[in-house]
Amino acid sequence: QPVLTQPPSASASLGASVTLTCTLSSGYSNYKVDWYQQRPGKGPRFVMRVGTGGIVGSKGDGIPDRFTVLGSGLNRFLTIKNIQEEDESDYHCGTDHGTGSSFVYVFGGGTKVTVL
Amino acid sequence: QLQLQESGPGLVKPSETLSLTCTVSGGSIRSSSYYWGWIRQPPGEGLEWIGSIYYSGSTYYNPSLKSRVTISVDTSKKQFSLKLSSVTAADTAVYYCARMSREVDYWGQGTLVTVSS
Repeated sequence: QPVLTQPPSASASLGASVTLTCTLSSGYSNYKVDWYQQRPGKGPRFVMRVGTGGIVGSKGDGIPDRFTVLGSGLNRFLTIKNIQEEDESDYHCGTDHGTGSSFVYVFGGGTKVTVL
Repeated sequence: QLQLQESGPGLVKPSETLSLTCTVSGGSIRSSSYYWGWIRQPPGEGLEWIGSIYYSGSTYYNPSLKSRVTISVDTSKKQFSLKLSSVTAADTAVYYCARMSREVDYWGQGTLVTVSS
């Protein structure tokens, strides 16, 4: 099954941009990845799904246009433009593996984003 | 608007069985498009998928927890449940119930379960 790797932390100044990376393990370059935002003390919420062609499907409810995604090779990126204080959160990526008789879902370790 | 609500004991003794129930409201649990799942998050750590169930009863479990996990569904009550046996302190976490297609698109608010004597 795939393994997802995320850097533990990232930061950006208020109003700047930050790009988060989720890296799939070798052999899974065609996999789509889901991004989740988890604000301090809250549960996660779905941001959007990304493949090598970009966003797959629709953004989650209430996700602003400032959030965009790209995919390249084994990497799936979430970019937050014009970052706001409310964007200070943990960001998790996840992916599903298997169909029919077998299914697993795996998460990366999460990236903590700090707004300076 | 779909809502998911976890319920169950917040404190479980070591070696006993953790039991949680998730009640679904504002939507159908019998949808053929979705799975219903459990995800946990130990304090200060990342997310871990525990397992999922289809409304028909088909189950899928995290291989690392499979020997201790049972997930069941009661469509008449619009509920699905988690049982985790032989718990230890390592099972202390916030437990979330969720709706999944491929992604997890709806989450419950989460409930903290502490394993302690």
